Amino acid sequence: DVKVTQSSRYLVKRTGEKVFLECVQDMDHENMFWYRQDPGLGLRLIYFSYDVKMKEKGDIPEGYSVSREKKERFSLILESASTNQTSMYLCASSPIHRGPFYGYTFGSGTRLTVV
Amino acid sequence: GENVEQHPSTLSVQEGDSAVIKCTYSDSASNYFPWYKQELGKRPQLIIDIRSNVGEKKDQRIAVTLNKTAKHFSLHITETQPEDSAVYFCAARSNDYKLSFGAGTTVTVRA
Repeated sequence: DVKVTQSSRYLVKRTGEKVFLECVQDMDHENMFWYRQDPGLGLRLIYFSYDVKMKEKGDIPEGYSVSREKKERFSLILESASTNQTSMYLCASSPIHRGPFYGYTFGSGTRLTVV
Repeated sequence: GENVEQHPSTLSVQEGDSAVIKCTYSDSASNYFPWYKQELGKRPQLIIDIRSNVGEKKDQRIAVTLNKTAKHFSLHITETQPEDSAVYFCAARSNDYKLSFGAGTTVTVRA
């Protein structure tokens, strides 16, 4: 069974802090994604990666960056946290960039509160 | 990019009745349409998906239909049960292989 693990379930950070959200998957998936989930807005893509050291902006990348130094790990970085980044953050992974169309496997999410 | 709209945003049904959630998409190149269920406090989980070369797919009490011409697809849940209460998300994937999600439908099954 594929596992996508997010390092923290709940985080409280102060405005201006640099925040790291970690995601690790154990099934050798090529693709990894970071979404934020807000009521009434669904899931919005922040950044994604198809390979190690590769990253592409999603729909709402402003205020975020990412790092993928190893295939299994995809980190989301809030350079200077702001209150409007208070949200649920979901990491997801999927196999194979091209080929069969597989859905994502999601992590349990990190609920971040910026005060 | 792809834009997915989902309706209704909330849906309350009597146990045993059917529930239908509808989604539309904008990119005619989209070719994969999964549905996710998210129970309270849990991660979204894939419950059913359909590819663009198929018009309908069924798995026990859930079914999905796809109309490529009209660019819409729907989730049908029959004989609803309390454990069907959750938030449901539709999604669409085009040639860039990213999923674009709808805003979600909160389904409540009344006992």
